[in-house]
Amino acid sequence: GQSLEQPSEVTAVEGAIVQINCTYQTSGFYGLSWYQQHDGGAPTFLSYNGLDGLEETGRFSSFLSRSDSYGYLLLQELQMKDSASYFCAVRVPQGNTPLVFGKGTRLSVIA
Amino acid sequence: SAVISQKPSRDICQRGTSLTIQCQVDSQVTMMFWYRQQPGQSLTLIATANQGSEATYESGFVIDKFPISRPNLTFSTLTVSNMSPEDSSIYLCSVEAPGGIEQFFGPGTRLTVL
Repeated sequence: GQSLEQPSEVTAVEGAIVQINCTYQTSGFYGLSWYQQHDGGAPTFLSYNGLDGLEETGRFSSFLSRSDSYGYLLLQELQMKDSASYFCAVRVPQGNTPLVFGKGTRLSVIA
Repeated sequence: SAVISQKPSRDICQRGTSLTIQCQVDSQVTMMFWYRQQPGQSLTLIATANQGSEATYESGFVIDKFPISRPNLTFSTLTVSNMSPEDSSIYLCSVEAPGGIEQFFGPGTRLTVL
């Protein structure tokens, strides 16, 4: 089976840094992705880690440790518009199944 | 990037009826994916639609309930048949970017079954 665990909710202050963790148990693993979804919107791709280490894209960074089956998304200089749900997703080598999604973390940025 | 449109954007349907959701992509793609997302929940893959072959359904989803068509490389439909209130959800279609890292999602169809 496949399972991904991430916190259900996180609250952080505007301008601060927040880290959203994701642990996974999957049969096979290609890489870990992160998606952002605003209320009423479609999920949009943020980052992908296929190898261990840190990937940085502007204010967002994502980290992967394959040996620990663990990754995180780091959001810096938080802005109100970052309030959204964030999903980690694992690419697995299983037929046509592209991604297995976590349950999502709802981030609320407060003033 | 791929631009994906879906019709309808939302609908309210009566129990026992069926609704067909259309998904149009602005480029040719091999695989199209249909997901369901219940309010406040994660995305669950319903099926993968390949042009020219039968769709591949995930565990818990069957063709009689969710028939899919894929007549060409830019279009697909998902039908939700014999609907019940438990089918109330957002239905999203999705495609992979070349290279298979990123997925693009349509805006979703918000379905409410009374």
